[in-house]
Amino acid sequence: DIQMTQSPSSVSASVGDRVTITCRASQGISSWLAWYQQKPGKAPKLLIYAASSLQSGVPSRFSGSGSGTDFTLTISSLQPEDFATYYCQQANSFPHTFGGGTKVEIK
Amino acid sequence: QVQLVQSGAEVKKPGASVKVSCKASGYTFTSYGISWVRQAPGQGLEWMGWISAYNGNTNYAQKLQGRVTMTTDTSTSTAYMELRSLRSDDTAVYYCARDGAMVKGTFDYWGQGTLVTVSS
Repeated sequence: DIQMTQSPSSVSASVGDRVTITCRASQGISSWLAWYQQKPGKAPKLLIYAASSLQSGVPSRFSGSGSGTDFTLTISSLQPEDFATYYCQQANSFPHTFGGGTKVEIK
Repeated sequence: QVQLVQSGAEVKKPGASVKVSCKASGYTFTSYGISWVRQAPGQGLEWMGWISAYNGNTNYAQKLQGRVTMTTDTSTSTAYMELRSLRSDDTAVYYCARDGAMVKGTFDYWGQGTLVTVSS
């Protein structure tokens, strides 16, 4: 199975800050990586697919990059509604494993 | 609009089985696969398995092999996930999620979640 490792596990940031979350795959997954946002008590929401493609309706302050084993999610200017937990997930092969999550908290 | 509507919360005793439903609407059901993902209280997301709504092919997480069965009913556009021999660590919110329109294996629509509590 492909293991997905996210860092950091949590980050404290202020509104307007630039936030970067990293995700590393235990083996190469080309660009088959997605990012999700989850708020408490809600289902996850797809933000980015294929490593860098923005899902329809997602604000452009979210961006993704990377290929192979190393990926990043960047929020260019953190907004109040962005405080949530973010997960990466590989779509390269079964099982479609998720990273452990990164909680973005208010500083 | 695409919607996935799941069945309601369940409370089960250890050793019992649970079957969660996921009714799809707003798209051609047989054109997209469905994955099931669970989340234990305060924990991360765990992919459980996938079913093709086109031909019923399945792929399950190895740790659940033998205890989980995923099925679909194309006449009602509904997917089902049955988990047997329930244990306390199966307590979780269970989500169904549709394969992405752009990339299979990413999930662009999710159900609202079904809380399954396993307790004696």
